[in-house]
Amino acid sequence: AQSVTQPDIHITVSEGASLELRCNYSYGATPYLFWYVQSPGQGLQLLLKYFSGDTLVQGIKGFEAEFKRSQSSFNLRKPSVHWSDAAEYFCAVGARGAAGNKLTFGGGTRVLVKP
Amino acid sequence: DAGVIQSPRHEVTEMGQEVTLRCKPISGHDYLFWYRQTMMRGLELLIYFNNNVPIDDSGMPEDRFSAKMPNASFSTLKIQPSEPRDSAVYFCASRPTSLAQYFGPGTRLTVL
Repeated sequence: AQSVTQPDIHITVSEGASLELRCNYSYGATPYLFWYVQSPGQGLQLLLKYFSGDTLVQGIKGFEAEFKRSQSSFNLRKPSVHWSDAAEYFCAVGARGAAGNKLTFGGGTRVLVKP
Repeated sequence: DAGVIQSPRHEVTEMGQEVTLRCKPISGHDYLFWYRQTMMRGLELLIYFNNNVPIDDSGMPEDRFSAKMPNASFSTLKIQPSEPRDSAVYFCASRPTSLAQYFGPGTRLTVL
């Protein structure tokens, strides 16, 4: 079974600074990978996804993520953070085939943006 | 598109009462998922449907929980009887053939 680890529970970043959120997964092959964002009181919004091909994936709101097979990682980055990026971010992994219908989510990283 | 619609957005009930949560998936999506989110356990998949048929309910915590999908545009999650430990935010998500799931705004359930 697949698993996901987000090592950082909280991250504080200054507005305008760069942001990188870590995600490590465990799976026997190349999984499907996702990043979601959850603002307070809201549902999860899909930021980006990786299925195959180019390992650098562009998403919405200026986010990108890079799949690194050798490190089993799928880190999320943004070059310049805005105050509206304060939220909780979830990495998720899905297996290939029918088992991929079920996503496994990491525990989340809460991002606080300082003015 | 209106996105995934859930109702009610907030529900406060007393222990022992029946609770019904409702979900309308995005039109054309043939998968529907019910999740529960708590501080202690994070996001947990309860059950999912494909073409209105329950495929995997291994995440349903107890027999007190049941879910139905009578048609492609409606699903319910029922808890009977409810207990304080059921207090959580319940999300419904739907997806098309591709694997990306689209989440509703959630129902915050408080059982007193």
